[in-house]
Amino acid sequence: EAGVAQSPRYKIIEKRQSVAFWCNPISGHATLYWYQQILGQGPKLLIQFQNNGVVDDSQLPKDRFSAERLKGVDSTLKIQPAKLEDSAVYLCASSSVRGRNQPQHFGDGTRLSIL
Amino acid sequence: SQQGEEDPQALSIQEGENATMNCSYKTSINNLQWYRQNSGRGLVHLILIRSNEREKHSGRLRVTLDTSKKSSSLLITASRAADTASYFCATANTGNQFYFGTGTSLTVIP
Repeated sequence: EAGVAQSPRYKIIEKRQSVAFWCNPISGHATLYWYQQILGQGPKLLIQFQNNGVVDDSQLPKDRFSAERLKGVDSTLKIQPAKLEDSAVYLCASSSVRGRNQPQHFGDGTRLSIL
Repeated sequence: SQQGEEDPQALSIQEGENATMNCSYKTSINNLQWYRQNSGRGLVHLILIRSNEREKHSGRLRVTLDTSKKSSSLLITASRAADTASYFCATANTGNQFYFGTGTSLTVIP
């Protein structure tokens, strides 16, 4: 089966600019996650979707980050405006059933650099 | 931090040796999972152990879980150069929250 697809692989922007990332999960996977991974750290969950509804966005900085999953398939994560501390790899993952008790399948991420 | 903590932060061994890394966490869990991450890539799921299990095997991997000590260990036997990667534990707690640890960077020298 095809894996989780993410684009772009790399993005360089200046602070205060906007940026968007795209994720296409594994076909049939109802649960989708966005993580932020700062260099040298483990991934931090930003938001979890079940189909097109938000299950958990408690760690999403809502003043600048937003995410949507229209039609319960693809998802986009947006940052507006970007800050220097947003430099990180943004990972998308999906799993076949609801809940965090299932293995997650990850894409290769988007590496974001803020100048 | 609510994240798990892996120990050691970095580990370097010769090919063929065994590698052991540990994970400690703070809250009650439903399960604990181990993932591998190669440089520049996403994470790959290795093994899941439920809170009522004490040991689990998968190929060259052996995971133990001690819920009384809130700790887990991952043993990789007969290591290979291809095992070089970062390894993360992730906990799903009873509040249905999911946290990754800080990771162990493993280098296997051919």
